[in-house]
Amino acid sequence: EAQVTQNPRYLITVTGKKLTVTCSQNMNHEYMSWYRQDPGLGLRQIYYSMNVEVTDKGDVPEGYKVSRKEKRNFPLILESPSPNQTSLYFCASSLSTGADGYTFGSGTRLTVV
Amino acid sequence: KQEVTQIPAALSVPEGENLVLNCSFTDSAIYNLQWFRQDPGKGLTSLLLIQSSQREQTSGRLNASLDKSSGRSTLYIAASQPGDSATYLCAVIGSTLGRLYFGRGTQLTVWP
Repeated sequence: EAQVTQNPRYLITVTGKKLTVTCSQNMNHEYMSWYRQDPGLGLRQIYYSMNVEVTDKGDVPEGYKVSRKEKRNFPLILESPSPNQTSLYFCASSLSTGADGYTFGSGTRLTVV
Repeated sequence: KQEVTQIPAALSVPEGENLVLNCSFTDSAIYNLQWFRQDPGKGLTSLLLIQSSQREQTSGRLNASLDKSSGRSTLYIAASQPGDSATYLCAVIGSTLGRLYFGRGTQLTVWP
């Protein structure tokens, strides 16, 4: 089944403890991106990648890092999480820049205490 | 910067009604437009993708239209059912880098 897989689905962590949220797609998509969703603010793009080793900032990149070493994987790294990064995170992918639409992962609910 | 607005923000209707959800965008230079459904706390499920050269797409009881020149899209839901209760999100795919721009969504409740 064609899908975008995120792990973990739920995560509670403490301030300052580094964490990684994984994202993997099995559709050979070139384009991958990360979003966060917050009440009243909607979905905002964090980072995106147009291909392997090509990444760029979205609208809210502060406090996040990404890497794209392989086409299928696009992990989101929080080096020193803070409570304002408590949010619902989504990974998405597309064959090319949106030509056939986007497929989203099931989301990761992150709580930073 | 592209701004996407969805009206209404919330809608509550009895089962069986035909519904229209509206989406407007400020920059008509779009690549495509995609409608999603989101259940509470869950992921985004793609409903329909309209290519910029198309005017509408249909899937079952859903029909989406696109008018690029006026910056509008509508999602029509026929014969609504309680299972249609969810938040519906409109996303414009920009012509530059394929960026997604989301509206805030319409929260739909269909009661029996």
